[in-house]
Amino acid sequence: QVQLVQSGAEVKKPGASVKVSCKASGYTLTTNYLHWVRQAPGQGLEWMGKFNPTDGTTSQAQKFQGRVTMTRDTSTSTVYMELSSLKSEDTAVYYCAREGGSYTGLDYWGQGTLVTISS
Amino acid sequence: QPVLTQSSSASASLGSSVKLTCTLSSGHTDYIIAWHQQQPGKAPRYLMNLEGSGDYNKGSGIPDRFSGSSSGADRYLTISNVQSDDEADYYCETWDATTRVFGGGTQLTV
Repeated sequence: QVQLVQSGAEVKKPGASVKVSCKASGYTLTTNYLHWVRQAPGQGLEWMGKFNPTDGTTSQAQKFQGRVTMTRDTSTSTVYMELSSLKSEDTAVYYCAREGGSYTGLDYWGQGTLVTISS
Repeated sequence: QPVLTQSSSASASLGSSVKLTCTLSSGHTDYIIAWHQQQPGKAPRYLMNLEGSGDYNKGSGIPDRFSGSSSGADRYLTISNVQSDDEADYYCETWDATTRVFGGGTQLTV
């Protein structure tokens, strides 16, 4: 069965960077786009960007351009999202989610990674 | 880019039916959407894809109690025989070539 397993919670200081991992299993990583979505405390879902595991290309929300880097390690079926220049407003749960295919929603989600920004 | 509008809250009694609405912005009224359920403290769970025609495809293991329908710019999620487990936030999602957007979510109280 398809599973996305994310790395554990992080606490970072303002100005630092955080790197969250998302390990895929139950399917071939390169057959589906991988998206990153975040959720601030008590708020809704916010799309950050998507990653093509086949060629490493990305498409990001304008808000995050220049601050987000997405990479992958195909040998371990793991995708990474690094967010830099952290601010207190970046405190949120970060989710990876698989795009089901063309004209399809995000059909499998990771369990989420809480990132807390605190001085 | 498209915008999705949802009511902030809804309520239903045990065993009743409830219909949640997600409205697409002008110029995007034929878009496909997806519905997701997020129970308290959990990750979102994909429920279904829903087309403007009203055709929908549910995710793996989603009970028959969940169904979708459409009318113009509106996309609906109907939950029949509401259970206590259905108390959750429900989000709609849509996309274009370069971006994905979510509605603000509807908090369903049972």
